Amino acid sequence: EPEVTQTPSHQVTQMGQEVILRCVPISNHLYFYWYRQILGQKVEFLVSFYNNEISEKSEIFDDQFSVERPDGSNFTLKIRSTKLEDSAMYFCASSANSYEQYFGPGTRLTVT
Amino acid sequence: QKEVEQDPGPLSVPEGAIVSLNCTYSNSAFQYFMWYRQYSRKGPELLMYTYSSGNKEDGRFTAQVDKSSKYISLFIRDSQPSDSATYLCAMSGTGSARQLTFGSGTQLTVLP
Repeated sequence: EPEVTQTPSHQVTQMGQEVILRCVPISNHLYFYWYRQILGQKVEFLVSFYNNEISEKSEIFDDQFSVERPDGSNFTLKIRSTKLEDSAMYFCASSANSYEQYFGPGTRLTVT
Repeated sequence: QKEVEQDPGPLSVPEGAIVSLNCTYSNSAFQYFMWYRQYSRKGPELLMYTYSSGNKEDGRFTAQVDKSSKYISLFIRDSQPSDSATYLCAMSGTGSARQLTFGSGTQLTVLP
């Protein structure tokens, strides 16, 4: 069964550093998403991407964040200058129809 | 008032019991209603989705949506220890990419 994959599983970085989180969505899917979950809190929407552009973004997704689909298979989230409060699990999701969203296993980001 | 409210539990039941999990919401624009299962430090796994009001059954799982009351439920029949996880409700509206708004999750333990 096809699945969303994410790398790395755990990333430790220092405050102020740039990080890139990588995702390989399910191959025939058209909609791509990033969500995050701070420990003990709800899963929160960050951004959606369709037809090679951002379709929606939340207030969390400020100028420090960017997304890219550099080729036909990868989908990346970049955080330019990490803050302590960026520490969270970051989940990539993809969908063929926008409502059935399938999540990857997540990348745990720890900012020290 | 929070957009999506879910009783966090924890909920503990004996094996074989019928489990009822619920969420309420305030946003009338929500059209799609999803249930996800999440194991500790893993990505949410899509169990079921329902469009608008009504019931949907899949094996031991039944999802119900009552849009007039803004109330959704997930029933698990003949619960098994392997059902022990956190169950998240999620909803989306009519936006182009249908970002998901999640509940806080209910932690379920099924005792053998």
